[in-house]
Amino acid sequence: SQTIHQWPATLVQPVGSPLSLECTVEGTSNPNLYWYRQAAGRGLQLLFYSVGIGQISSEVPQNLSASRPQDRQFILSSKKLLLSDSGFYLCAWKTGDHTGELFFGEGSRLTVL
Amino acid sequence: GQNIDQPTEMTATEGAIVQINCTYQTSGFNGLFWYQQHAGEAPTFLSYNVLDGLEEKGRFSSFLSRSKGYSYLLLKELQMKDSASYLCAAWDSNYQLIWGAGTKLIIKP
Repeated sequence: SQTIHQWPATLVQPVGSPLSLECTVEGTSNPNLYWYRQAAGRGLQLLFYSVGIGQISSEVPQNLSASRPQDRQFILSSKKLLLSDSGFYLCAWKTGDHTGELFFGEGSRLTVL
Repeated sequence: GQNIDQPTEMTATEGAIVQINCTYQTSGFNGLFWYQQHAGEAPTFLSYNVLDGLEEKGRFSSFLSRSKGYSYLLLKELQMKDSASYLCAAWDSNYQLIWGAGTKLIIKP
């Protein structure tokens, strides 16, 4: 069966510090991978998605970046965090066909102080 | 522009039935999802509708009308554990997933 994990689950970082969130998927190959951010009481904002290794599409201009160094690994990074980067970050995957449901990781709650 | 509308918050009583509505305006349509999200947790998949009609899964049912751009999630025999946010999302013709802001459902004893 397929599983998705992301870490860390919780982190508190000072403004201007770097960020790295990791996500891995097991039990499937060539998944579509997604990073979302959810502000408190709000909907999901798509940040990045990837249809293959090294293929990253950015949906929102910001100080975040994403990389996909391996087929089932997706990394969200920042060189310098802003206060506005605080939120709940969710990694998700789906099969490579066009439609079908997304499966989410456990989420990472980031607080920037 | 593309948009999904759903009520911000609803309140219902334990044991009762509640219907959460969702209207969508997308450039094309390739299916609609409902997800459940408990506070502080990730969303979990509830249902997927691509054709008109009602899909039933135990206490939860989801309905779709493509001509009206409308869907609803029906929850029966409400339990306290159903207190959560319910997210509506739709695939557009470019296979971009458009999300609603979610409906927070509060269940009272």
